[in-house]
Order: sequence, then C-alpha cells, then structure tokens
Amino acid sequence: GAGVSQSPSNKVTEKGKDVELRCDPISGHTALYWYRQSLGQGLEFLIYFQGNSAPDKSGLPSDRFSAERTGGSVSTLTIQRTQQEDSAVYLCASSLRPDSDEQFFGPGTRLTVL
Amino acid sequence: GNSVTQMEGPVTLSEEAFLTINCTYTATGYPSLFWYVQYPGEGLQLLLKATKADDKGSNKGFEATYRKETTSFHLEKGSVQVSDSAVYFCALRGSSNTGKLIFGQGTTLQVKP
Repeated sequence: GAGVSQSPSNKVTEKGKDVELRCDPISGHTALYWYRQSLGQGLEFLIYFQGNSAPDKSGLPSDRFSAERTGGSVSTLTIQRTQQEDSAVYLCASSLRPDSDEQFFGPGTRLTVL
Repeated sequence: GNSVTQMEGPVTLSEEAFLTINCTYTATGYPSLFWYVQYPGEGLQLLLKATKADDKGSNKGFEATYRKETTSFHLEKGSVQVSDSAVYFCALRGSSNTGKLIFGQGTTLQVKP
C-alpha cells in the first residue's frame, strides 16, 4: 500500500487479556517506530527497529510490553495481561532511514481495556 | 534526558488571526526539530522541520525558526483558516540518533469563522 497500515483499528479487551497490534510499514522503509498517544501522557515513544540491529526498547513502560519485527517488514506489538492504564491509541511509524527527516505515521489502533 | 514543552491549549482564534504556538526544548548536542499536525480523523503528518540552528522551516503558510540561544521552535502563521483546526505537536530527534522522536504534549487549535 501507499502508506503505513495498522490493524485492528479498534480493539476492546478485558483486563488481564493479551492483545496483539499489527503494523505494516511503507515498503522499503528500514526504520519502524511504535508510539503511544494517551490523554494523560501525550505522545510517547515505545520502541524502535532498524534493520537487523537490536531494537531500542527504552520506551516500553513495563515487561508486559514486547514487540517484534519479522523479515524487516511487518511488526507486532504485544501487550500481556492488559491493564486499564494501557488504554490509548497505539501509533506505528516508518521512515526510509533512522536519520530521515520525516516519519510516516499509520492511523493507529485504539485500545480500550475494560 | 531530552524533552519538549509546548504551550497548553486549546487555542481558539478567529479566521485570519495571527497564530503563535510556543515550543521549547531540552537536549544535549544538536537535535533536529519538527512540527507535526493531526487533523481531525487523520493520522499524524509532518508539517515542517529544521535541522540546525537558525534554520527556518516553512510549509502551508506556517513557519518556525530553530533558536538555539533560547532553545525554542515556536510555530507561527500570519492568517489562520478554519481548515487549520487541528492538534499540533512539537518534536525533537536527538543528535545521538536512534531516530526516535520526543514529542510535546500537543496543542489543540480551533479556528472559528
């Protein structure tokens, strides 16, 4: 596709359940980022992948959060044992290179934990 | 660590008014600075950028100048339109560079006809 796509667009889950969020970056983009947008915290960085390098996980809020990027393309963000404070919009972005000036953002996945 | 602070909103203006949204940053070295915009129902998109001190980024009538002496990157537009109503985010990318962006809290702009 032409842009970054994310699925699902909306996810409602019960507290304690695991969820998986998916991101398809723009083809050929080597850098992929996950961010979280929530009312209390604004827009915060979660994790970054670049090629075959070890990911920068410095923004993950707890060990319940993990992410992988398979084949240098699609990425999944997994949240285990979800909590109500995990409710947010999860945004994925990609860029041609890490030093590229523009990151292209997907539409986001709105996660609601009941 | 690196951080970005921008003025809290919402900001409500009449059409054709002058807009300023303040943004200041804290960072080591020489970060790159950005303004991203999120229109209602749409994804975040880059509005403008500046990668070194005294650079001026501009796009769609918006401007921002990278001021290292005041660690600021204020967004301005001389005459806003209803279509400019959106959430504006100031962001920096550190010079050490994993590429990750540090965002401000966002400022909601509402322009009334």
